[in-house]
Amino acid sequence: DTAVSQTPKYLVTQMGNDKSIKCEQNLGHDTMYWYKQDSKKFLKIMFSYNNKELIINETVPNRFSPKSPDKAHLNLHINSLELGDSAVYFCASSQIETQYFGPGTRLLVL
Amino acid sequence: GQQLNQSPQSMFIQEGEDVSMNCTSSSIFNTWLWYKQDPGEGPVLLIALYKAGELTSNGRLTAQFGITRKDSFLNISASIPSDVGIYFCAGQLPTNNDMRFGAGTRLTVKP
Repeated sequence: DTAVSQTPKYLVTQMGNDKSIKCEQNLGHDTMYWYKQDSKKFLKIMFSYNNKELIINETVPNRFSPKSPDKAHLNLHINSLELGDSAVYFCASSQIETQYFGPGTRLLVL
Repeated sequence: GQQLNQSPQSMFIQEGEDVSMNCTSSSIFNTWLWYKQDPGEGPVLLIALYKAGELTSNGRLTAQFGITRKDSFLNISASIPSDVGIYFCAGQLPTNNDMRFGAGTRLTVKP
């Protein structure tokens, strides 16, 4: 009965590969987000989706693309992975103001 | 101007001590939120503040939404070892409802 879930929890891959991270929320929220947390623990928003529309697209490389098949899911696709993509990626969802976070996906690019 | 300045960056305290941390900005925010992140986990919401001047408690935690809407503080009373973690403030901008996060306060509690 986890509110916001992400898979996988850990992802180790080589440079140049393409990978996806999945996120699902069962809260019935309208908006979902992807954040990147770097080694210094700074949380940076990457994308948000509201009713299948991208409403925030921060200055992230176009190798990153969010895909929302329905309101409960927001997946993150990453093409041509680079070393600097290594980080923890958090999915979150909100209805109005309060955001609820998933457990994170730890990505390590070798 | 829309960045949040969170301080202190880190704190090392003895069990039983009280803790205070705050966030300030030059911008006005509609909502202030405080999160705690345990190692290996995602941030978990502790307290949400929706009105200027609002003072809200959650157990040993107390947070206030500054009158100017540009700041907020979080107090933890009688700290215990499980209070260890990173505490983040977050503010929602009135212009576009975007959220901004502080850089976090790392709390260490010595038994």
